[in-house]
Amino acid sequence: EAGVAQSPRYKIIEKRQSVAFWCNPISGHATLYWYQQILGQGPKLLIQFQNNGVVDDSQLPKDRFSAERLKGVDSTLKIQPAKLEDSAVYLCASSLETGGLGKLFFGSGTQLSVL
Amino acid sequence: KQEVTQIPAALSVPEGENLVLNCSFTDSAIYNLQWFRQDPGKGLTSLLLIQSSQREQTSGRLNASLDKSSGRSTLYIAASQPGDSATYLCAVRGNNAGNNRKLIWGLGTSLAVNP
Repeated sequence: EAGVAQSPRYKIIEKRQSVAFWCNPISGHATLYWYQQILGQGPKLLIQFQNNGVVDDSQLPKDRFSAERLKGVDSTLKIQPAKLEDSAVYLCASSLETGGLGKLFFGSGTQLSVL
Repeated sequence: KQEVTQIPAALSVPEGENLVLNCSFTDSAIYNLQWFRQDPGKGLTSLLLIQSSQREQTSGRLNASLDKSSGRSTLYIAASQPGDSATYLCAVRGNNAGNNRKLIWGLGTSLAVNP
């Protein structure tokens, strides 16, 4: 079974530039998450999708971050414009169960450095 | 508000030792608890998921226990190996609908197993 795919693996940009991350969850997983993990901290949920609908985006900085999952499969997370404090690892995860209440499967993450 | 604490923050042991990692949580009304492993620069791997009705889960050399009444979970690693070196994170999902169903993360225990 293929795991959660994320790209790119690394990204370096200057502040005020834009960046996009892509995630393809495990086939058949209805729930998809985007997390932000700053070094030394636990993951912070940015947005949770159930199929192509948003379940929770309460911690997404909507003035600069956006995410979509148009066909209920793969997803894109965008930051525009980036700030220095956005430097972090962006993790995508998926879950089979409705509501995402079961085991989470994570991708390898995208390490973002904003200079 | 649920808070998750992991002690110790870092642990260094010689190879072959049995060890215990601790996770404590403040609100006993949980849906489930998960233990994850994170290798440097990589995503998270789910190790064990314990439902609120369960007392323990086992996978190979790993055993996780759950005591809701005392707000504690332990991850027991038997006969530790250098390959077990990683950060271990605990995450708790609440039992009430809405935002309480969000995963609350500990900061992790960084484990080094020395050959």
